[in-house]
Amino acid sequence: GIQVEQSPPDLILQEGANSTLRCNFSDSVNNLQWFHQNPWGQLINLFYIPSGTKQNGRLSATTVATERYSLLYISSSQTTDSGVYFCAVSPGGSEKLVFGKGTKLTVNP
Amino acid sequence: GAGVSQSPSNKVTEKGKDVELRCDPISGHTALYWYRQSLGQGLEFLIYFQGNSAPDKSGLPSDRFSAERTGGSVSTLTIQRTQQEDSAVYLCASSFRAYGYTFGSGTRLTVV
Repeated sequence: GIQVEQSPPDLILQEGANSTLRCNFSDSVNNLQWFHQNPWGQLINLFYIPSGTKQNGRLSATTVATERYSLLYISSSQTTDSGVYFCAVSPGGSEKLVFGKGTKLTVNP
Repeated sequence: GAGVSQSPSNKVTEKGKDVELRCDPISGHTALYWYRQSLGQGLEFLIYFQGNSAPDKSGLPSDRFSAERTGGSVSTLTIQRTQQEDSAVYLCASSFRAYGYTFGSGTRLTVV
């Protein structure tokens, strides 16, 4: 089945720093989503982005489907950005999401 | 409702007992999904509903697991004869067409 690899697995930042999280996937996809899981376990959808670029406040994401990767940018990080960021994809013809193992982000004050 | 609602939020059960987990999706969301999250396995797909039918059940780990959805709305995930390896957080999500998922807060199941 499709493989989803996220990097880095862990990231520690000082408040105010910028970061880039990467998601590589092994096959063509018809759906790609980024999620943030907060320290209480709630999964929040950040972006639905099978291709192209989107921005929402301090967050933006870019997916280059032809090269099978997506990037999540976090600018001016805040302590509330801490948690685990997951990339998830649906292979062509499937509705289910296959999740990567996540990037654990810690933002220190 | 405003979000995806799951109940109970926590469930402790004895090995061998049956459990039912409930998911109430966002009104109007035609697609509903069940996932589970455990430390060793990450986030795993269980089953997908479109309306009341389940075109993809490929993630159900054994025949002890079953799910149904009625009225295109509420879904119930049933685990029969629970085992310790069933301990996990069970997450439900709903979506409308090609938009992103909205997840519920999950049910933490502990089998003792």
